[in-house]
Amino acid sequence: RKEVEQDPGPFNVPEGATVAFNCTYSNSASQSFFWYRQDCRKEPKLLMSVYSSGNEDGRFTAQLNRASQYISLLIRDSKLSDSATYLCVVKWAVMNSGYSTLTFGKGTMLLVSP
Amino acid sequence: DAGVIQSPRHEVTEMGQEVTLRCKPISGHDYLFWYRQTMMRGLELLIYFNNNVPIDDSGMPEDRFSAKMPNASFSTLKIQPSEPRDSAVYFCASTLGGNSPLHFGNGTRLTVT
Repeated sequence: RKEVEQDPGPFNVPEGATVAFNCTYSNSASQSFFWYRQDCRKEPKLLMSVYSSGNEDGRFTAQLNRASQYISLLIRDSKLSDSATYLCVVKWAVMNSGYSTLTFGKGTMLLVSP
Repeated sequence: DAGVIQSPRHEVTEMGQEVTLRCKPISGHDYLFWYRQTMMRGLELLIYFNNNVPIDDSGMPEDRFSAKMPNASFSTLKIQPSEPRDSAVYFCASTLGGNSPLHFGNGTRLTVT
């Protein structure tokens, strides 16, 4: 199976801090990339897609480096409500099938404290 | 849109019993996925369907696990017989395909004693 690796954390940061997560993937044929957020005892929810040119959504910035096979998520001005686990997701084509599948990293836990 | 609907939310059963988990995907979504999540192993893909046809079941742990999708609006994941190591949260998710993201259900928390 193709691997997606993340630092499990936890990352403990104070409110207002900037924090960055990295994720590496092993399949060079990966097609699409996403960051999901999962709150304790809840389902994962899409935070943002990751585009080749990088993209920003408010305090969140996602970057993709295909050459080095990693993606990153930057959170600026951390809020208490940002405390969650952040999952890196890679979509890749299954050879000779015409189909794609998704692989999730195990997630990085973020704890934002007052 | 009601989102992906899973039932039951919680299931507690004894070892050896049959367990059936249910999922209704978002209407119009062509892909349906079953995942299992534990602290140790994270989110693991068990099986996924495209247009009700199983595409990849290589993640199904063993013959005790089976999944069906008799129509576009319903899928089941069955464990028979269940074992304590099957205890986990089981998520169903659906997507339109392409670069569309996955939408997850609330999950079923399974405890096998």
